[in-house]
Order: sequence, then structure tokens, then C-alpha cells
Amino acid sequence: GQQLNQSPQSMFIQEGEDVSMNCTSSSIFNTWLWYKQDPGEGPVLLIALYKAGELTSNGRLTAQFGITRKDSFLNISASIPSDVGIYFCAGPEETSGSRLTFGEGTQLTVNP
Amino acid sequence: DTAVSQTPKYLVTQMGNDKSIKCEQNLGHDTMYWYKQDSKKFLKIMFSYNNKELIINETVPNRFSPKSPDKAHLNLHINSLELGDSAVYFCASSHLYGGAFFGQGTRLTVV
Repeated sequence: GQQLNQSPQSMFIQEGEDVSMNCTSSSIFNTWLWYKQDPGEGPVLLIALYKAGELTSNGRLTAQFGITRKDSFLNISASIPSDVGIYFCAGPEETSGSRLTFGEGTQLTVNP
Repeated sequence: DTAVSQTPKYLVTQMGNDKSIKCEQNLGHDTMYWYKQDSKKFLKIMFSYNNKELIINETVPNRFSPKSPDKAHLNLHINSLELGDSAVYFCASSHLYGGAFFGQGTRLTVV
């Protein structure tokens, strides 16, 4: 199946800093999704991107769908302690649109 | 009014036992899934059902059997549990090609 490479694997930042993480693939995705997972909870959908070049915001979060359709990034501005968690990129596979492939996740730690 | 709810949240059981995890969604979605999250937090799909019909069946042991009595429910039954089955299992739902909404997860520990 298709693979998503997500980086960095982990980040340790100070409250107030901006954060950037990205996801790349060797094959084309038609949709990019960004999820956040809090400890002990299920992943929650943050942002969905459907068009190459699309830039979408959700509060302090901004995500972009790369022009080549092989990458996406997620930015978090002015981080706060509750931003702590694991962030996953995901996309539906070409051969089976209902099967989501997930990146390996970026573990974010925010120090107050 | 939980959108995707699964029970139980925690399950501790002995090797060799049979157990079930239940899942229900009230979002009106036509597709439901089971995902497994391992100790490294990697999420991998196990099964997908669309309108009660199995459409994805990844390479999982046949000790795992999903059952979908209707569009809003997808249960997972596991026979002869093994130590390696310990993981967090997530139920999710979506419209066929939409972003998935996840339940809170069931942390299964096999001892």
C-alpha cells in the first residue's frame, strides 16, 4: 500500500512558539487529512484538504495540500500546553478510497 | 451524544479467551472501520464495512471476526486471544470517501 512519511517524529517546544510538521509520500494523494490524538483518546480530525495548493486554517492551525499532491504540512502558531498530543497525517489510498493510510505521527510536547 | 462509541474502554483478559468489542455510530455514516494502534502508536486498518458489507479485510489472523448487524454497528470478536493481540483498537466511521471519525478506543491487555 501507499506510505506516508511524517516528520519530525517528536518535538519539544516552549509555550508560545510556532510549530511546523510535514508529511510526504512517494505517490499521489487526492485528499490530505490531519488528526490529533490526545492521551487515552481516539484521533480527532483537525483539517481536511481536498485540492492541490489548498491552504486551510482552523484557529491557530494551518495546513496546506502540496502542489505535487505528494506532501502536506501542518503549522500551529503560538502553541499552548493543550496542544500536546500526537499529530497524524492521513490520506485515502488510490485503490481503495475508504482505506486511510496514516503517517507515523509527530509527538508534540509543549513546556509551559 | 457521543458520535462513535465503543465498549469497553479497557479489557484485560487471559490468553486463550474469546472477547468482543462493540461499536456504534450515530452520525449516519455508511462506512465503519476497525483500526489497531500498536505500542509505537502506529495506526493500521484491519477491516472496513460499507452498508454492512465487508470491503476491506487486511491481513489479520482469522481469529479476528467483524460483524455488522446494521449500518450503525460494527462489532469485533476475537477468538483465542494471544499476548501479541495487546493493543488499542479503534472503531471509526465515515461517509465512503470522507475523513473518518474515531471512537475513544479499547485498550486490550492480554495476560
